[in-house]
Amino acid sequence: DQQVKQNSPSLSVQEGRISILNCDYTNSMFDYFLWYKKYPAEGPTFLISISSIKDKNEDGRFTVFLNKSAKHLSLHIVPSQPGDSAVYFCAASGGGSQGNLIFGKGTKLSVKP
Amino acid sequence: DTGVSQNPRHKITKRGQNVTFRCDPISEHNRLYWYRQTLGQGPEFLTYFQNEAQLEKSRLLSDRFSAERPKGSFSTLEIQRTEQGDSAMYLCASSLALKPGNTIYFGEGSWLTVV
Repeated sequence: DQQVKQNSPSLSVQEGRISILNCDYTNSMFDYFLWYKKYPAEGPTFLISISSIKDKNEDGRFTVFLNKSAKHLSLHIVPSQPGDSAVYFCAASGGGSQGNLIFGKGTKLSVKP
Repeated sequence: DTGVSQNPRHKITKRGQNVTFRCDPISEHNRLYWYRQTLGQGPEFLTYFQNEAQLEKSRLLSDRFSAERPKGSFSTLEIQRTEQGDSAMYLCASSLALKPGNTIYFGEGSWLTVV
């Protein structure tokens, strides 16, 4: 049973436009959410996070929105750049486990020049 | 570079052989994690240590897998009697347990191919 779901395996966006990546979760005990970016043959790189007590966190071109009632979060990238092309993973922590993150399967973002 | 360091980066081994991966975490981090990632999946938690204590193990961590962190610094992950299904990227990560939330920083991973 997947507790963190990224239902879009891929997303293609034009350079300069907004990229919106979505993530849904089922465990209402999750209290911290993170987004990671991953290039092929490399480990995931931390991008941005949000605590469950907030509904928005912004860092430069990246903004994460959290809708707790819908158990949904999204990552907005504005403006998108070709270098943003990668796989993006949503992850959550809490939910009874102190020690680990639960990841979604990822969304592959392609930003076309 | 003071990030999480893993070696070897790539390992090809014959089925039935033992392999060992090493991880050096970010120096001030007291938590160390092992994850596994296969194609088309997100990273899956295997185990984590706080200092030298192994506090949690996933059911994915079969008896053939053992992880140690003897002095609370570097860690090793050993896979005994490897099987083809063990082929994956093994990711090490670290964090500071007292930091609000739990941002985990990953190394570049160790690719294992079992032939």
